[in-house]
Amino acid sequence: QKEVEQDPGPLSVPEGAIVSLNCTYSNSAFQYFMWYRQYSRKGPELLMYTYSSGNKEDGRFTAQVDKSSKYISLFIRDSQPSDSATYLCAMGTGGYNKLIFGAGTRLAVHP
Amino acid sequence: DSGVTQTPKHLITATGQRVTLRCSPRSGDLSVYWYQQSLDQGLQFLIQYYNGEERAKGNILERFSAQQFPDLHSELNLSSLELGDSALYFCASSPRQGSGNTIYFGEGSWLTVV
Repeated sequence: QKEVEQDPGPLSVPEGAIVSLNCTYSNSAFQYFMWYRQYSRKGPELLMYTYSSGNKEDGRFTAQVDKSSKYISLFIRDSQPSDSATYLCAMGTGGYNKLIFGAGTRLAVHP
Repeated sequence: DSGVTQTPKHLITATGQRVTLRCSPRSGDLSVYWYQQSLDQGLQFLIQYYNGEERAKGNILERFSAQQFPDLHSELNLSSLELGDSALYFCASSPRQGSGNTIYFGEGSWLTVV
């Protein structure tokens, strides 16, 4: 079993939809949770960063962490075609920065 | 633009050969990380350096090696290349070591082994 599980999709939604992306994990020591966005053949770009449990909002993006369920989510409101990309969750335990990434979910937002 | 610079952007080489990928971290960042991304394996952590010293090692093959120089740039050396080494190799950097810091990725070096 992988430490981080993420459905690779693809996920296809119409423009304006609310998108929900999720990851589950098995290592209860994870404390730092991040979401990266990666456009095709480009470097991953940090979207959201959360420490421990709770919610964090930034514009159209909301990140949620539920440590009791070992489950994290990224919500995208009013999705746009420019949001079409692969979304990677990542998490770490502290100490040296060895982030563990999910496989990534490919999202397509069509006009 | 993340500020992390990687060269070359694309590289095609033959099996058995050796290549060197180069990375310049963001100005002021002391930590450098190397990741490999292939279609079937996702983003895999290879190795981390902090201020010239190796700090963490992931699934890096013995045929691969890396180093960080005094000016903080880093090189990833891949030798005895095999077809399966074809992948995108990313360098990332952060100001300090520790998972509390965000890491910033370069645009990657696309390696094709033929």
